[in-house]
Amino acid sequence: QQQVKQSPQSLIVQKGGISIINCAYENTAFDYFPWYQQFPGKGPALLIAIRPDVSEKKEGRFTISFNKSAKQFSLHIMDSQPGDSATYFCAATSGTYKYIFGTGTRLKVLA
Amino acid sequence: NAGVTQTPKFQVLKTGQSMTLQCAQDMNHEYMSWYRQDPGMGLRLIHYSVGAGITDQGEVPNGYNVSRSTTEDFPLRLLSAAPSQTSVYFCAAGRSSYEQYFGPGTRLTVT
Repeated sequence: QQQVKQSPQSLIVQKGGISIINCAYENTAFDYFPWYQQFPGKGPALLIAIRPDVSEKKEGRFTISFNKSAKQFSLHIMDSQPGDSATYFCAATSGTYKYIFGTGTRLKVLA
Repeated sequence: NAGVTQTPKFQVLKTGQSMTLQCAQDMNHEYMSWYRQDPGMGLRLIHYSVGAGITDQGEVPNGYNVSRSTTEDFPLRLLSAAPSQTSVYFCAAGRSSYEQYFGPGTRLTVT
């Protein structure tokens, strides 16, 4: 019940395309769903986050869509750029500072 | 303001040796945590702290000890290193239970 399942494991997208990464959770106590971006050799960095009282949040080219009834959330990267090539992690927490992370998606954007 | 710093960047240990991974933050954040990152497994929480003098176990605490005597420092101790502890270790800090800023990581190899 503590798992966060992330898919796909890897993704290749053409420059200018849309990248979509999906996550599913089971624990309904989770109330904060962040996405992290990680470049090789670096620590993860917060990209965007959502709470379950909204269905969508947009920040620039990055959008989180949230489906509370299905217990799923996804990251959409519009107009994907080669600089977006990184590993993306979804996560969930219930405010106890115990985060559960997905297994990561390695995104490659072709120039 | 350096954020979260971790030392060393790289370490090689022999089985059975002990060592301490250092984590320090200069943001005066109450919350700190330790994760390990393994290929295909995302980040898994080892231990976390919600303030000086308060620590708790995460998802994979066995083989690791922590203490939090000051707000700034949160060292992770490996008492008797095992090859299964070969991983990349990340420390994080946050102002609230919903915030995490990650350090640059320590790559540990146990032979």
